[in-house]
Amino acid sequence: DVKVTQSSRYLVKRTGEKVFLECVQDMDHENMFWYRQDPGLGLRLIYFSYDVKMKEKGDIPEGYSVSREKKERFSLILESASTNQTSMYLCASSQPGEWNGYTFGSGTRLTVV
Amino acid sequence: SQKIEQNSEALNIQEGKTATLTCNYTNYSPAYLQWYRQDPGRGPVFLLLIRENEKEKRKERLKVTFDTTLKQSLFHITASQPADSATYLCALRISGGYNKLIFGAGTRLAVHP
Repeated sequence: DVKVTQSSRYLVKRTGEKVFLECVQDMDHENMFWYRQDPGLGLRLIYFSYDVKMKEKGDIPEGYSVSREKKERFSLILESASTNQTSMYLCASSQPGEWNGYTFGSGTRLTVV
Repeated sequence: SQKIEQNSEALNIQEGKTATLTCNYTNYSPAYLQWYRQDPGRGPVFLLLIRENEKEKRKERLKVTFDTTLKQSLFHITASQPADSATYLCALRISGGYNKLIFGAGTRLAVHP
């Protein structure tokens, strides 16, 4: 069963900590994405990557960075966590061009206290 | 400004009836539109894709229409079942650029026995 795996389901971190969210896909997909989901706001794109070592800013990149050293792995980094980064974080992958939709991970619910 | 709008109020229907969910967008020219299902605490799951030159798409009990003049997509579930209860998200793929989706906030559907 093909899938996207996010390393943690729940995380609690303190303000100012550096936080790493890991995402691994086993479908050999070119594209990977990080979204955050907040009630009433839907999914908002933070960063995406269309190839190894390549990254593009999404709609809300401030306070985040990403790393894609291998095709299957896409990491989201919160440089200095703040309470307004408390959210559900969703990783997804897809192939470029004609495709059948994104495959999402189960999400990481991050609470920053 | 660019917007995707889905009914924020939950849709409550009786089992066996047809559920119809609406997705409206402004100031976008989407290459295609997708619908996803999301269960609580889980990532979205891809359901259907419809291209800008298609009027209607069907998959089992699901039907999607796409009217680029009205800038609207309708998502229908016929013979609805309690197991169809979930939040349904629409997403637009904008023409050009990378395979990047813009999501609506979703509509929660509750099917009652």
